[in-house]
Amino acid sequence: AQSVTQPDIHITVSEGASLELRCNYSYGATPYLFWYVQSPGQGLQLLLKYFSGDTLVQGIKGFEAEFKRSQSSFNLRKPSVHWSDAAEYFCAADNAGNMLTFGGGTRLMVKP
Amino acid sequence: DADVTQTPRNRITKTGKRIMLECSQTKGHDRMYWYRQDPGLGLRLIYYSFDVKDINKGEISDGYSVSRQAQAKFSLSLESAIPNQTALYFCATSGGAPYNEQFFGPGTRLTVL
Repeated sequence: AQSVTQPDIHITVSEGASLELRCNYSYGATPYLFWYVQSPGQGLQLLLKYFSGDTLVQGIKGFEAEFKRSQSSFNLRKPSVHWSDAAEYFCAADNAGNMLTFGGGTRLMVKP
Repeated sequence: DADVTQTPRNRITKTGKRIMLECSQTKGHDRMYWYRQDPGLGLRLIYYSFDVKDINKGEISDGYSVSRQAQAKFSLSLESAIPNQTALYFCATSGGAPYNEQFFGPGTRLTVL
């Protein structure tokens, strides 16, 4: 069955530190890949997406993600975290342009 | 104005009551979706519609029904609410293939007592 896994339920980082959120997918072929962010009381906002081509994709708010086919991973990174980045982050995959499958989410807390 | 709106934003109801959640969009998209979010489970698909005459069950449709009143409107109903339907509900839209990027509403927090 197709699935998306986010191994870390909670992550706490200090403000200014680097961040990496993990995402692994299980699909027969490389799916389209997305990262969304959900701030408290808000809907989901798209941070970035990968369809094909360059495996390092840039997104909004200073985020980037790297697609690694050999590891079936699409990890989200940010070099320096700001307090406003505290939110829940969701990785999602779509294999046919029809349906998204979401990971369970990673809640990011930022220490001052 | 927001592209995808949901009403109500918060609702508390009692077991056995009928509840309707409404979603409207101004993006001109044909595809609309309803998801529920539970802690640790991410978002799970309840129903989706690829056009006004097309309605499909998602992963967790039991206990829910939907109506696509127009291209811009997609409603979710709980015919007889039960406590384990307490969750955050999201509506989303997309323009479809090839990339199916989805745009989400702000969510409706539903509590069933």
